[in-house]
Order: sequence, then structure tokens, then C-alpha cells
Amino acid sequence: DIVMTQSPDSLAVSLGERATINCKSSQSVFYSSNNKNYLAWYQHKPGQPPKLLIYWASTRESGVPDRFSGSGSGTDFTLTISSLQAEDVAVYYCQQYYTTPPETFGQGTKVEIK
Amino acid sequence: EVQLVESGGGLVQPGGSLRVSCAASGFTFRNFAMSWVRQAPGKGLEWVSTDSGGTTYYADSVKGRFTISRDNSKNTLYLRMNNLRAEDTAVYYCAKGDNNGWQNYFDHWGQGTLVTVSS
Repeated sequence: DIVMTQSPDSLAVSLGERATINCKSSQSVFYSSNNKNYLAWYQHKPGQPPKLLIYWASTRESGVPDRFSGSGSGTDFTLTISSLQAEDVAVYYCQQYYTTPPETFGQGTKVEIK
Repeated sequence: EVQLVESGGGLVQPGGSLRVSCAASGFTFRNFAMSWVRQAPGKGLEWVSTDSGGTTYYADSVKGRFTISRDNSKNTLYLRMNNLRAEDTAVYYCAKGDNNGWQNYFDHWGQGTLVTVSS
């Protein structure tokens, strides 16, 4: 199984500042035949279901603010919130869908306001 | 608009059984893989099971105890859970895959249903 490891486990960022979350997979999730990375990012707020933010490592889901961006390839990926807003307080998860089953998630990164 | 509405959660004793359901609307249900993902208290997200074009997959932690199924005529996904353990206590989310294959991200999620296993 592919193991997904996120860092840090939590971070506190001032409003308007940049938040960066890293995700590392135990093996590459890049498929050369279609030039795609099988990596998604989700936002999970308390009492709500998870919400898809990013898929194919860098494609923003419809309706997701452009302050959210995804980057990386192979085994190392990053989710960046360019200017943190109060409503961005949540736990963020990466997920690989390259080798399934199982679809594996990172352990989550909690983002708070400093 | 895609909607996924789970039901059937509740309190069950260890060793007991429960079936949770997910009513889907707003998309052609039969054309997409559907999954169950759970979150235990204070823990992260854990994939449980997927039904993809009639082929089913399970996490090792539930294999042999849980059965996923779907009724395409009713646009409903099910998860039958037998021999429940305390560690199965979690919010169970129904999640829609982005395609009908076996490599899916989850583009829509239900609100979840809480399953508590306790005596």
C-alpha cells in the first residue's frame, strides 16, 4: 500500500499570510502514460463532510477559491493557501488514487489562525 | 446538484450488525464508483470500501465483516456491517467517485452517519 505522510501535523498562520502543507507518498503517484499525478487534496471542517479542493495534484475543483493551489510531482506535493482567511480553518488531507485499493489518505494537517 | 444522504447509523453492541444507506441524487448513479470512508473520533479519514462497476473492494480492517452493495434502481448505496468492534466506531461518509473505474478521487461527500459500537 502507498503510505501518505503530511507535514506539519498542524500549523498556525496569521490572517492574510501564506500556509503551506506538504504531502509525501511512499512511491510515485505519477502515471507517465497520461502525464498525471494521482493526488487529491480535501478540506475538512468540524461538523461538515470533507470537500474536494484539488485533483490531479494541481487542478482546482470548480468553485474553490484561487487562493488554494496544488503543486508537485512524483512523490512530493504541496497545498498552498496564498492568503489565509478565517474560513480556511480546517484539517487538510491529501489522498493518492494511483494504486487502489486502498485509496490512502495522509494523516491530516490542522490549520489554525495565529 | 449532487446530493448524498446517509442514514441508518446508531448505537450497536460489540458483535452486532448494522446497515447504513446512502441515497444519491443529481447524477447518473449507475455510472460512477461509490465508496464509504470513515472517521473515528479524533482520527483522520480512512477508506473503507468501494463499489466500482459491480466490483467491490475492502480495507483489510473490515474485509470479511463488511459488505458494500448498491441498488441502481433506487440510486442507493449500502454498507452492511457485521461482527462490529469498538474500533469501528466512526462517522461513515458516502463518497462519489469521479469515474466508474478503480482509480477515484471523491468529488462529493454525504454529511455522514455516526455508528457507535459500545455495550
